[in-house]
Amino acid sequence: KQEVTQIPAALSVPEGENLVLNCSFTDSAIYNLQWFRQDPGKGLTSLLLIQSSQREQTSGRLNASLDKSSGRSTLYIAASQPGDSATYLCAGYTGGFKTIFGAGTRLFVKA
Amino acid sequence: AAGVIQSPRHLIKEKRETATLKCYPIPRHDTVYWYQQGPGQDPQFLISFYEKMQSDKGSIPDRFSAQQFSDYHSELNMSSLELGDSALYFCASSPRTGAEQYFGPGTRLTVT
Repeated sequence: KQEVTQIPAALSVPEGENLVLNCSFTDSAIYNLQWFRQDPGKGLTSLLLIQSSQREQTSGRLNASLDKSSGRSTLYIAASQPGDSATYLCAGYTGGFKTIFGAGTRLFVKA
Repeated sequence: AAGVIQSPRHLIKEKRETATLKCYPIPRHDTVYWYQQGPGQDPQFLISFYEKMQSDKGSIPDRFSAQQFSDYHSELNMSSLELGDSALYFCASSPRTGAEQYFGPGTRLTVT
């Protein structure tokens, strides 16, 4: 059974810092991994999708990597801004149309 | 660009009532997923449909049922509502199996 874990659960950083959010999964037969952002009480915004055949994806200040052999994915946020404050969720898709979410990392960027 | 549409956005029901949530996927997306997110929790996968057929089930109670129609919109039917059903219900769609999922804004269901 696929389990997805995110570390840290919460993170507070000053503006401008580079930071790394971690996501680990137990089933290496992962089809893809998707990172989302969620603002309080709002929907999920897709940030990056990494297919199993890829190792990383980049979008603006965001870079996500995937290492299937170690069961880990990281989301790197460069030059953090107060507007980046949100909960970041990773989700692993293991085929069979099932997606398993991690519990998320709550990020607060201080101005 | 068109996004996933969910209706209603907010719904208040009493215990033991029924509720129907609707989801309209992005055009040409053939896969629909339903998720339940309780307060302070991560989204839990409920059920998915591919080409109008149920493709997988997660932690969906027997009191809930869902279907995907010929126009690819989907409905989640919830009966005998309980207080614990109060949550955000998200629908997501993707253009094909395993592709990027796009989430709707969610329906906030409150059961009193």
